[in-house]
Amino acid sequence: AQSVTQPDIHITVSEGASLELRCNYSYGATPYLFWYVQSPGQGLQLLLKYFSGDTLVQGIKGFEAEFKRSQSSFNLRKPSVHWSDAAEYFCAVVLDNDMRFGAGTRLTVKP
Amino acid sequence: KAGVTQTPRYLIKTRGQQVTLSCSPISGHRSVSWYQQTPGQGLQFLFEYFSETQRNKGNFPGRFSGRQFSNSRSEMNVSTLELGDSALYLCASSPAVAGELFFGEGSRLTVL
Repeated sequence: AQSVTQPDIHITVSEGASLELRCNYSYGATPYLFWYVQSPGQGLQLLLKYFSGDTLVQGIKGFEAEFKRSQSSFNLRKPSVHWSDAAEYFCAVVLDNDMRFGAGTRLTVKP
Repeated sequence: KAGVTQTPRYLIKTRGQQVTLSCSPISGHRSVSWYQQTPGQGLQFLFEYFSETQRNKGNFPGRFSGRQFSNSRSEMNVSTLELGDSALYLCASSPAVAGELFFGEGSRLTVL
């Protein structure tokens, strides 16, 4: 069955440390890939997207993601986390006009 | 450009009542999608409308319905409310079908 998986429900990192959030998908073809962020009480905001081309994608707020076809992954990274990055992060995939979201990863940032 | 606007932001209803939520998309966006977000189930797709036509529907009972008007504004309705309908309902608009989504801040529904 087609699915998108975020293996980590909750991650805690120290401010200034690096971050990697995992996303794996199970589709026969390469879907369009997205990362969204949701701050408490807010809607979702697009961080970055991958449609085709360069597999390393730069987004807003210093985030980047790398598409790895062989691993069916689209992991989100940030070299140095800021306290304001504390939020919930959602990976999303679109294939054949069907968009699906992962369960989300909640990020806590320690001072 | 104004973002996606959802009204009301917060509302409290009792079981058995019905509720209508409204969504005004970004100007020029013709696709509107609705999602239900709960702590236990995460983000669940309700339906998508494009040019007043429902293109896609999630796995929700018939109590959940929606529509889109000619100006792309959308409404969703939930009839015979149940406690489990308590959730944040998110609307998102897109300039294209299944493209990048722009979300509103949501309507938080509490059913007592």
